[in-house]
Amino acid sequence: DSGVTQTPKHLITATGQRVTLRCSPRSGDLSVYWYQQSLDQGLQFLIQYYNGEERAKGNILERFSAQQFPDLHSELNLSSLELGDSALYFCASSAPRDGPSYEQYFGPGTRLTVT
Amino acid sequence: AQTVTQSQPEMSVQEAETVTLSCTYDTSENNYYLFWYKQPPSRQMILVIRQEAYKQQNATENRFSVNFQKAAKSFSLKISDSQLGDTAMYFCAFRDNNDMRFGAGTRLTVKP
Repeated sequence: DSGVTQTPKHLITATGQRVTLRCSPRSGDLSVYWYQQSLDQGLQFLIQYYNGEERAKGNILERFSAQQFPDLHSELNLSSLELGDSALYFCASSAPRDGPSYEQYFGPGTRLTVT
Repeated sequence: AQTVTQSQPEMSVQEAETVTLSCTYDTSENNYYLFWYKQPPSRQMILVIRQEAYKQQNATENRFSVNFQKAAKSFSLKISDSQLGDTAMYFCAFRDNNDMRFGAGTRLTVKP
């Protein structure tokens, strides 16, 4: 158990809908990262937050947005969903200070299926 | 943009033998970090080993070690005394101050 929690575990929704994925980082971690893993693919980095502020941005679609709250949990909002958004969405957190040297601890993921 | 390439989509190895997984990357940065992650069938992402680019010494973690060749931008993972529990997808990852990228993965099967 990495200490990172994600809810829900599974989500099934229809095209055009909007969903919110939630992540709670490990106790003491200030950074949260979001990744997308499509079927049998590698991980694509979406976005990073550090202590409530956006820190780095990857290939995140405009239909997607995220935020990190004062209690450090984070939410990833996906809107106008398309079939191609079906994927496993991972959240990860890392150590108390910012910087690339800290390893990331991954949550169990949320499996999103868009029908 | 940084790219990470894993040229072996699938590999297999006999139990107790040694296997090496390849990874190359492209960057113009001098300060960065490299990681190998394991993803077993449970889909959990587990950190296997990490390497700081400023360190010349190759990282080792029990049966796992890396061969880091900075000039060649190569970062291979060696698994010694392979065990059935090592069966998983293995992802090479690159990180600098602004970006984190993963390779497409190598599916490793350890055969009894």
